Amino acid sequence: QSALTQPPSASGSPGQSVTISCTGTSIDVGGYNYVSWYQHHPGKAPKLMIFNVDKRPSGVPDRISGSKSGNTASLTVSGLQAEDEADYYCSSFAGSSMLFGGGTKLTVL
Amino acid sequence: EVQLVESGGGLVQPGGSLRLSCESSGFTLSSYWMHWVRQAPGKGLEWVSRIKSDGSSITYADFAKGRFTISRDNAKNSLYLQMNSLRVEDTAVYYCVRGNWVYWYFDLWGRGNLVTVSS
Repeated sequence: QSALTQPPSASGSPGQSVTISCTGTSIDVGGYNYVSWYQHHPGKAPKLMIFNVDKRPSGVPDRISGSKSGNTASLTVSGLQAEDEADYYCSSFAGSSMLFGGGTKLTVL
Repeated sequence: EVQLVESGGGLVQPGGSLRLSCESSGFTLSSYWMHWVRQAPGKGLEWVSRIKSDGSSITYADFAKGRFTISRDNAKNSLYLQMNSLRVEDTAVYYCVRGNWVYWYFDLWGRGNLVTVSS
């Protein structure tokens, strides 16, 4: 049950786009389309941003998008805004367990 | 209001026990799988355990097997996590989380409850 691999940090200027990767294996990210992404502002409850690889819940803007290729999923935040600064975590179904990535701190410069 | 509220955390000595509770409101708990997820200080999120809507299926992360027990009482709109033989490394904020069992994602999170294991 190893954690999924995310870069520890990412950054971009307002208006730019940033992509965060999430790498797993063929028995988790690569084996199912059950990848989700969460935004977490410290001290608050995490918020679902993407589910089923590329689906957005109601209320999440369309400048947030997800994709997957092989064992790597990605989250793209376009048109960066100050409120996008947060920690982002990917998650994947892994059969008998659920896995999270180590988290990526997104900084809006 | 749709929400989850955790309680029962606090300071406990290594080897001790603690029971976390999570009260749901605004939705029918019995329709959902539920999970516990934790976050150690300065670390990322870590899945702990899940329980099926009717309690008939339960799974744990390897570190929780044999020490933690998840349970639920749908009539009381409540989820529980009994933690025994606690270790310093179990120190974390524990989140009660509602799950979607079709696509396996977490769609509602509590604010979290801090458990500190220290002598």
